Amino acid sequence: QSALTQPASVFGSPGQSITISCTGTSSDVGGYNYVSWYQQHPGKAPKLMIYDVNDRPSGVSNRFSGSKSGNTASLTISGLQAEDEADYYCSSYTSSSVLFGGGTKLTVL
Amino acid sequence: EVQLLESGGGLVQPGGSLRLSCAASGFTFSSHAMSWVRQEPEKGLEWVSGISDSGGKTYYADSVKGRFTISRDNSKNTLYLQMNSLRVEDTAVYYCARRVGYGNVDYWGQGILVTVSS
Repeated sequence: QSALTQPASVFGSPGQSITISCTGTSSDVGGYNYVSWYQQHPGKAPKLMIYDVNDRPSGVSNRFSGSKSGNTASLTISGLQAEDEADYYCSSYTSSSVLFGGGTKLTVL
Repeated sequence: EVQLLESGGGLVQPGGSLRLSCAASGFTFSSHAMSWVRQEPEKGLEWVSGISDSGGKTYYADSVKGRFTISRDNSKNTLYLQMNSLRVEDTAVYYCARRVGYGNVDYWGQGILVTVSS
């Protein structure tokens, strides 16, 4: 049950687009179309932003999108805004558990 | 409004036990699988355990298998996590989480701190 691999930090300027990667194996990310992404602001509980690779819950901005290729999933945020600055975690379903990535800190410069 | 309210956390010595509870409201509790997810201070998220909507199936992370037991009482709309043989490395904020689909969490509790220290 190894954690999924994410970059520790990503930087972007307001209005730009950024992409956060999430790499797993064929037993998790690559084996199922059940990757989700969470946003967490300091001191707050996580918030679901993307589920099932590329679906958005109601109320989540369409500036957030997800994709997957092989064993790597990606979260793209377009039109960066100051309030997007947060930690982002990917997660993947497996046959016996749920794996999270180590988290990526997004800084909006 | 969906609400998940954890209780039962606190300070415990290594080797000790605690039972976390999560009171659910605002949705049909018995229709949803549930999970516990924890977060060590300043660290990332770690899935701890999951349970099916009926309670008939349970799942555990390797790090807690044999020490933690997840259960639920659908008549009381409450989720539990019995934690035994606690270790210093179990120190974390524990979140009660409502599952939707496969592995997704659409609602989280506010979290409760468990500190294991002598």
